[in-house]
Amino acid sequence: QEQLQESGPRLVKPSETLSLTCNVSGGSMRTYYWTWIRQSPGKGLEWIAHISHSGKTNYNPSFKSRVTLSIDTAMRHFSLFLNSATAADTAIYFCARDDTVGNFDLWGQGIPVAVSS
Amino acid sequence: IQLTQSPSSLSASIGDRVTITCRASQDVKKFLAWYQQKPGKAPVLLISSASNLRGGVPSRFSGSGSGTDFTLTISGLQSEDLATYYCQHLLTYPYTFGQGTKLEVQ
Repeated sequence: QEQLQESGPRLVKPSETLSLTCNVSGGSMRTYYWTWIRQSPGKGLEWIAHISHSGKTNYNPSFKSRVTLSIDTAMRHFSLFLNSATAADTAIYFCARDDTVGNFDLWGQGIPVAVSS
Repeated sequence: IQLTQSPSSLSASIGDRVTITCRASQDVKKFLAWYQQKPGKAPVLLISSASNLRGGVPSRFSGSGSGTDFTLTISGLQSEDLATYYCQHLLTYPYTFGQGTKLEVQ
């Protein structure tokens, strides 16, 4: 059964790097884009970025200067690194699968992350 | 591209026909998807390409529209349809979502 599962620290200090990993169970990693989306009360759902199996990335300009994605298809996971975190980055972070045309057809359960000292 | 949904919330009864609209700030052709998000859960893709029902989604859900105006319709509301519904455009990066429509079932 195809599943996505986010993991990582749920509390990050301001100015530090928010780092999350998404483990991919089942299916191929080659035919999709692997995506990070976050949800907060203030900004709703925000598409952050995605990465292909070959490492090609596209970023939301709102995050581009602070975000890096990586992927390890052998270990079947991909990761999000958001540096210089602020309270505004407090949100539920979802990893999701993009069918390459922008439909998110599989989601992780989401992981709440708070940025606070 | 900004997406504006209306209404922001609505209350309806079992069996009702419910319509949610999504307006795009520019022409997105048919590059629009709809999602359902139940409390405490991740969104689920209901409709792609404005009107294509995804596998496993009940046939009471339907989508229509193109360009800047889109509609999600639930024909025969069920109690399990309690959720927030979001539209999302797929035309260009960055993809964006509407602010959501919270559906309460009376």
